[in-house]
Amino acid sequence: KAGVTQTPRYLIKTRGQQVTLSCSPISGHRSVSWYQQTPGQGLQFLFEYFSETQRNKGNFPGRFSGRQFSNSRSEMNVSTLELGDSALYLCASSLGLARYNEQFFGPGTRLTVL
Amino acid sequence: QQPVQSPQAVILREGEDAVINCSSSKALYSVHWYRQKHGEAPVFLMILLKGGEQKGHEKISASFNEKKQQSSLYLTASQLSYSGTYFCGTEASSGGGADGLTFGKGTHLIIQP
Repeated sequence: KAGVTQTPRYLIKTRGQQVTLSCSPISGHRSVSWYQQTPGQGLQFLFEYFSETQRNKGNFPGRFSGRQFSNSRSEMNVSTLELGDSALYLCASSLGLARYNEQFFGPGTRLTVL
Repeated sequence: QQPVQSPQAVILREGEDAVINCSSSKALYSVHWYRQKHGEAPVFLMILLKGGEQKGHEKISASFNEKKQQSSLYLTASQLSYSGTYFCGTEASSGGGADGLTFGKGTHLIIQP
């Protein structure tokens, strides 16, 4: 069974630009969650999508948004990039809602904002 | 609010035991534990739900004290492969899951031969 895949793996952008990250969950998984990981703050929850609906959202500004498609693939968008957005962005998929289920993490997208 | 993990870091010899603690200021519905090795994605270890239900691996045990809003992860007879950063993620009882999981900053565990 293929694992969670994320594209691209590395991304370099400049301040003010916009970026879209993609996540393909494990086949059959209906939930996709997104996390931001930085050395100082650890893993911070962004949002979770289940059956194309945003289930919950972490404490991030509205510049961070996402969506999920009917095949459970998910995208995350960050608009008007800031230097502080530089981080590893991880997505994780689970069979059902993350609150009840094991999450499988992808390798992440390393975003650098210059 | 992030749960607080302790210790922040620990170095052990192979075969020794370790306990990692996770404490929250909020009443908890669940605690999730993950391990992340350097340069790799986090890997699931265990979920502990309010009411006593647990889902996890056989070789790792954990406790969840709902009254104290604390959880502890027990690693017995540690092996070299246990090295990594351990994260606890908590979900508050209030909100019905609307806030998602909040992870602590992690505990760095180094096992030496």
